[in-house]
Amino acid sequence: VQLVESGGGLVQPGGSLRLSCAASGFTFSNYWMSWVRQAPGKGLEWVANINQDGSQKHFVDSVKGRFTISRDNAKNSLYLQMNILRAEDTSVYFCARDVSNSGPSDLWGQGTLVTVSS
Amino acid sequence: DIQMTQSPSSVSASVGDRVTITCRASQGISSWLSWYQQKPGKAPKLLIYLSSSLQSGVPSRFSGSGSGTDFTLTISSLQPEDFATYFCQQGNIFPLTFGGGTKVEIK
Repeated sequence: VQLVESGGGLVQPGGSLRLSCAASGFTFSNYWMSWVRQAPGKGLEWVANINQDGSQKHFVDSVKGRFTISRDNAKNSLYLQMNILRAEDTSVYFCARDVSNSGPSDLWGQGTLVTVSS
Repeated sequence: DIQMTQSPSSVSASVGDRVTITCRASQGISSWLSWYQQKPGKAPKLLIYLSSSLQSGVPSRFSGSGSGTDFTLTISSLQPEDFATYFCQQGNIFPLTFGGGTKVEIK
């Protein structure tokens, strides 16, 4: 039972990046899923979540209009498309499995680092 | 947005000590409160959900209580593996929000 994120890296301000999260060991299509981020040395910030069939999505205000969350249940994968990236988006991004539509998150990936810098 | 305020921001304690961390919500969240433990360089781990329900596999020395706006996480007898940072999270209203964290350090 695990989640494995990928796709992080260095990107210039204004650029785009797509994060992926591969799920295994459980029935991915049964769960809400979330993205949570953590800036270096800082606390946790919930970013977005998505329901089982992708029809419901919620975002923190700071990423609305710039980030998109999606999933492919056939591929057991969760995605975060990040556009118009800013320096303040620099964080480790974790994907997480949610017990319900508003959490809690009972399974987490190891995280992938996104650095926004010129 | 609901603001979650944790106190203290850090605490120094010894093995065997009882440690209590508090989390206050800026408005009532019923019992929609979870607690996580995070060690350096690792992902958070769910400890408590719905204010007082112990996640499977979590030692019974961890307990949670509270409802409305005031919540506590208690570690009854601190063990070496408990030195970490603890976060609360509300799940009542979107956006979901976390407290700033409490670092439990070795005294």
